[in-house]
Amino acid sequence: AQSVTQLGSHVSVSEGALVLLRCNYSSSVPPYLFWYVQYPNQGLQLLLKYTSAATLVKGINGFEAEFKKSETSFHLTKPSAHMSDAAEYFCAVTSSDGNKLVFGAGTILRVKS
Amino acid sequence: DAGVIQSPRHEVTEMGQEVTLRCKPISGHDYLFWYRQTMMRGLELLIYFNNNVPIDDSGMPEDRFSAKMPNASFSTLKIQPSEPRDSAVYFCASRGTSGVRTYNEQFFGPGTRLTVL
Repeated sequence: AQSVTQLGSHVSVSEGALVLLRCNYSSSVPPYLFWYVQYPNQGLQLLLKYTSAATLVKGINGFEAEFKKSETSFHLTKPSAHMSDAAEYFCAVTSSDGNKLVFGAGTILRVKS
Repeated sequence: DAGVIQSPRHEVTEMGQEVTLRCKPISGHDYLFWYRQTMMRGLELLIYFNNNVPIDDSGMPEDRFSAKMPNASFSTLKIQPSEPRDSAVYFCASRGTSGVRTYNEQFFGPGTRLTVL
């Protein structure tokens, strides 16, 4: 069965520092992977997606993620954190039947000034 | 495109009352998903539809919950009777296939925050 593990329910970084949010997945089929962001009192918004076209995926707001099959990872990074990046981030993988998304538990990113 | 529309945005009701949440998916999308988000349980998939037909309702917590999709542009999630433990944010999401691979990207609505007193 497909599953997603996000390491660290809370991550705190200083403004301007590197952001690294970890995601490992388990999939019985070639995966499609997603990162979503949820700002307070809002719905989930797609940041980026991996669809097998390229292993390094660039998304909105300066975020990118690298698909590493050997490590079954899809970590999210941003070189320099902004205060506006404070939000909850969800990693997701397509279900084995291709119809649903299986979400991780989420990581809350705090950005300190 | 207006995106996924949900109403109401906030609902406060008393225990035992019926609650109806509404969702309008993005035009042309043929999949619709209902999720519930709480601090304790995170984001849970309740049910999803394909072409207005319920495909998987294994996430519906109990018989008090029901969902319908009478047409391609409207879905409801009903709780009757409501209980305080149903307090959560309920999201609707949709996605399309349209013959072109969308890689299962789902588009989420803004959510309905339900409080049951």
